[in-house]
Amino acid sequence: EAGVTQFPSHSVIEKGQTVTLRCDPISGHDNLYWYRRVMGKEIKFLLHFVKESKQDESGMPNNRFLAERTGGTYSTLKVQPAELEDSGVYFCASSQGLAGVGASEQYFGPGTRLTVT
Amino acid sequence: GQSLEQPSEVTAVEGAIVQINCTYQTSGFYGLSWYQQHDGGAPTFLSYNGLDGLEETGRFSSFLSRSDSYGYLLLQELQMKDSASYFCAVRGTTSGTYKYIFGTGTRLKVLA
Repeated sequence: EAGVTQFPSHSVIEKGQTVTLRCDPISGHDNLYWYRRVMGKEIKFLLHFVKESKQDESGMPNNRFLAERTGGTYSTLKVQPAELEDSGVYFCASSQGLAGVGASEQYFGPGTRLTVT
Repeated sequence: GQSLEQPSEVTAVEGAIVQINCTYQTSGFYGLSWYQQHDGGAPTFLSYNGLDGLEETGRFSSFLSRSDSYGYLLLQELQMKDSASYFCAVRGTTSGTYKYIFGTGTRLKVLA
């Protein structure tokens, strides 16, 4: 079974540019999450999709961040325009269901390391 | 607000036992999970506690006390490969939706 994949693995962009991150969850997982980790800090929740619907986007920092999940499969996270404080590792995770142990076991992708200069 | 606290760093020697504590403050509670992350890698799921008590999975055990808003991860017979960051995560609710809150992570260094 293929795991969660993310693309690109690294991205270096200049302040003011646009970057789009992609996440392919495990097939059949309705739940898809985006997180961000700034070095030395917590893994911070950004948003949660259930299929193609945004269940919770309360963690999105501001309106420069736009996430989509067309068709309930892969998801993209666009940052436009990027700022220096957007640097960090962006993780995507997926899980089955919404209750019980299965929902608590999230499968993480390898992350996209974003550096804004 | 919602928050989790865990020690920033723990050091132990091979073969030893180490306990990583996690205290939490959340609105709604639907379980405490632990994840392991090696440098440059993806967080991987270790364990889940939905009810009070101890859950054991091989060399790793996890404990939860909901009345104390406290849990811990116990690693036994430490091996060098256990050197990694360990995150506790609580599944809570906000405005009726589930949300996962992660701690800042505990970096475990296992010495030979």
